[in-house]
Amino acid sequence: AQSVTQLGSHVSVSEGALVLLRCNYSSSVPPYLFWYVQYPNQGLQLLLKYTSAATLVKGINGFEAEFKKSETSFHLTKPSAHMSDAAEYFCAVSPLNNNDMRFGAGTRLTVKP
Amino acid sequence: DADVTQTPRNRITKTGKRIMLECSQTKGHDRMYWYRQDPGLGLRLIYYSFDVKDINKGEISDGYSVSRQAQAKFSLSLESAIPNQTALYFCATSLAGGTGELFFGEGSRLTVL
Repeated sequence: AQSVTQLGSHVSVSEGALVLLRCNYSSSVPPYLFWYVQYPNQGLQLLLKYTSAATLVKGINGFEAEFKKSETSFHLTKPSAHMSDAAEYFCAVSPLNNNDMRFGAGTRLTVKP
Repeated sequence: DADVTQTPRNRITKTGKRIMLECSQTKGHDRMYWYRQDPGLGLRLIYYSFDVKDINKGEISDGYSVSRQAQAKFSLSLESAIPNQTALYFCATSLAGGTGELFFGEGSRLTVL
């Protein structure tokens, strides 16, 4: 079965600083990988997804993630944090052709002025 | 209007009461899911349905039941609610044959006293 580990339940950065949210996955088959964002009192929205095409994936709001098979990682980055990026971020893994998606515990991002 | 609509958005109930959470979608997706979100645990799958006649248990189905009344409707029931079922519940949909990307409702916050 697949699983996801997000390193760091809380990350705090200053506005304009680099954002790095870490995600490692475990999967017995080639996975699809996802990052979702949850703003307060809202459902989850897709930020970006890896589906076995390019290993560097660009998403909405300036976020990107790189799939590294050798490290079983899919870390999320953004060069310059904005106050509006404050939210909770979830990494998720799903086996190919299977909708049994598993989520990490989430990382809450705080952006300081 | 939201593509995935959950009702009620908030509910407070007492131990032993029967509760139903409802989900309807206008996305035309075949696949529907119920997840619960708990702080520090991420989202965990309760039940999923790939079409009206197909219902499957997820990771944490004990104490829950579901009904797929139509392609667009998927309800979650707690037959006898208990306090540790206090959580935020999300309905989601996905497209059969797609990459597994989930589309979420805004959530139903349930408190069991």
